[in-house]
Amino acid sequence: EIVLTQSPGTLSLSPGERATLSCRASQSVNSNYLAWYQQRPGQAPSLLIYGASSRATGIPDRISGSGSGTDFTLIISRMEREDFAVYYCQQYGSSSWTFGQGTKVEIK
Amino acid sequence: EVQLVESGGGLVQPGGSLRLSCAGSEFTFSKYWMHWVRQAPGKGLVWVARINTDGSSTSYADSVRGRFTISRDNAKNTLFLQMRSLRAEDTAVYYCARDSGLGLRIFDYWGQGTPVTVSS
Repeated sequence: EIVLTQSPGTLSLSPGERATLSCRASQSVNSNYLAWYQQRPGQAPSLLIYGASSRATGIPDRISGSGSGTDFTLIISRMEREDFAVYYCQQYGSSSWTFGQGTKVEIK
Repeated sequence: EVQLVESGGGLVQPGGSLRLSCAGSEFTFSKYWMHWVRQAPGKGLVWVARINTDGSSTSYADSVRGRFTISRDNAKNTLFLQMRSLRAEDTAVYYCARDSGLGLRIFDYWGQGTPVTVSS
């Protein structure tokens, strides 16, 4: 089973700052099967990025994804109040889906 | 707008059983794979189970295989999760999620979740 490790665990930022979130896989991941989700407190997760770099419907272009192989990155170029949340990466392989443990982005 | 509404959660004793349901609407339910994903209190997301469009193929996380059964009724646009031999570590919010299709293997819509507590 592929293990996804996200870093940092918590990121403290001010509105307007840039957020860089990392997702590292224990073995190579097919980029087509790498996604990112946002989860706000008390809410269900929502899809942000799929195929490592494609934005889901309605996701603003200040949010972007990149990476390949074992290293993937989610960038939020300018944090807005609605972006303070927990972010999860997710991959699919061998009939199994796994998530990273999450990165919490909090207001400094 | 796609809607997924879970129900059936609650308090159950260790060793007990529970059946969760997820009603889908505003999309052609029978054309999509469906999943269950859970989240223990204060913890991250964990995939639980998946079912294909007609119910002929399923897959499970190792932690629930042999105890949980995923199924669906396409005539009623409803997904199920039968949980047996429940343990304290099964305590979580259970979400149903739609597989986006197109071979992407991602979860494009989620329900609001139903909480399950396993405790004596």
